[in-house]
Amino acid sequence: QVKLVQSGAEVEKPGASVQVSCKAFGYTFIGHYIHWVRQAPGQGLEWMGWINPNSGVTHYAQKFQEGWVTMTRDTSINTAYMTLNRPTSDDTAVYYCARSHELDPDAFDIWGQGTMVTVYS
Amino acid sequence: DIQMTQSPSTLSASVGDRVTITCRASQSINNWLAWYQQKPGKAPKLLIHKASSLGSGVPSRFSGSGSGTDFTLTISSLQPDDFATYYCQQYHSRTFGQGTKVEIK
Repeated sequence: QVKLVQSGAEVEKPGASVQVSCKAFGYTFIGHYIHWVRQAPGQGLEWMGWINPNSGVTHYAQKFQEGWVTMTRDTSINTAYMTLNRPTSDDTAVYYCARSHELDPDAFDIWGQGTMVTVYS
Repeated sequence: DIQMTQSPSTLSASVGDRVTITCRASQSINNWLAWYQQKPGKAPKLLIHKASSLGSGVPSRFSGSGSGTDFTLTISSLQPDDFATYYCQQYHSRTFGQGTKVEIK
């Protein structure tokens, strides 16, 4: 079965890095970009960026550039990672990974279950 | 950045109703648009891609139309499983609309 399985909930203090993992099952990991999308409590969806698992090349939404967010992958274990490097309470949200569509790479056809990240002092 | 404006933000409807949600882009995006459905506590689900192509396994009561700046998601006959929040997303900078919550009337 094609699926993305994310790591569990995280609770962290402001300024401490937080990493979320996204493990792919049932398809060729390097064949589809992985996107990250977040959703603050009670709010809408916000696209963060993508990583090409084949090359490791990344592209971040303008808001998430300048080292605030880092996307990486480990092809040996079919896993993508998203790291928040200097989180604040405003980064409290559910973080989703999503796969690019088989035939339409700009749509997201498979989503992870989401990881709740809570940042509080 | 291209802005996406969805309307309405909330919609009250009954089972069997025909429901229409609109999404307007701040500039032309051709047909580069997707629609997603999200239920509380769950990940979004792809419904429509490239403005009018039905996602895999999505019931045929869902349809999408439009090009340029104006797009529509239509549910031909609302079912109990369809009460959810719907988002459009443009491909250029991948901005989502603010969402439309479909509630039971």
